[in-house]
Amino acid sequence: QVRLVQSGAEVKKSGASVKVSCTTSGYTFSTYAIHWVRQAPGQRLEWMGRISPGSGYSKYSQEFQGRVTLNSDTTTTTSYMEISNLRSEDVAVYYCARAGVSDSSLEYWGQGTLVTVSS
Amino acid sequence: EIVLTQSPDFQSVTPKEKVTITCRASQSIGSSLHWYQQKPDQSPKLLIKYVSQSLSGVPSRFSGSGSETDFTLTINSLEAEDAATYYCHQSTGLPSFGQGTKLAIK
Repeated sequence: QVRLVQSGAEVKKSGASVKVSCTTSGYTFSTYAIHWVRQAPGQRLEWMGRISPGSGYSKYSQEFQGRVTLNSDTTTTTSYMEISNLRSEDVAVYYCARAGVSDSSLEYWGQGTLVTVSS
Repeated sequence: EIVLTQSPDFQSVTPKEKVTITCRASQSIGSSLHWYQQKPDQSPKLLIKYVSQSLSGVPSRFSGSGSETDFTLTINSLEAEDAATYYCHQSTGLPSFGQGTKLAIK
């Protein structure tokens, strides 16, 4: 079955970077885009960006352009999301999610990774 | 940027009641509208995709309708387990989510 397993919680200082991983299994990794979505405490879901592992093509929300980098490794079927220059507003649960082939709904989700930013 | 506005923000409902949640887009998104259910401390779960397409394993009491800018998620005969926050999501251009509708059971 399709599984997306994310790395564990992180605590980082303001100004630092954090890299969250999303290891997938149960399907052909290169065929399906991986999206990243975050949720600050008590807030709505916020789309950050997506990457197509087969081509490496990525697209970002304007809010995160320049501060977020998405990568994927087809040998380990893992996608990565890195945010630089962390600030207090970045405290959130970060999710990876898989889209369909010609289907941009997000049927499969990782369990979420809590990122805490301390000053 | 396409903004999705849901209503209501919060609703307290009794079991077996029919619930309607609406999602309005700031511009036409055709049929690229999906609905998710999120329970506390859980990842979102896809309920309905492309306005009205149901997913395997999702109870038949959940249905969706609408087009262009106005969409509706309907829950017929609400059950206690449906207590959750519901989000709409558009995937035209850069994706975005509605602010969420929290359903509480009386």
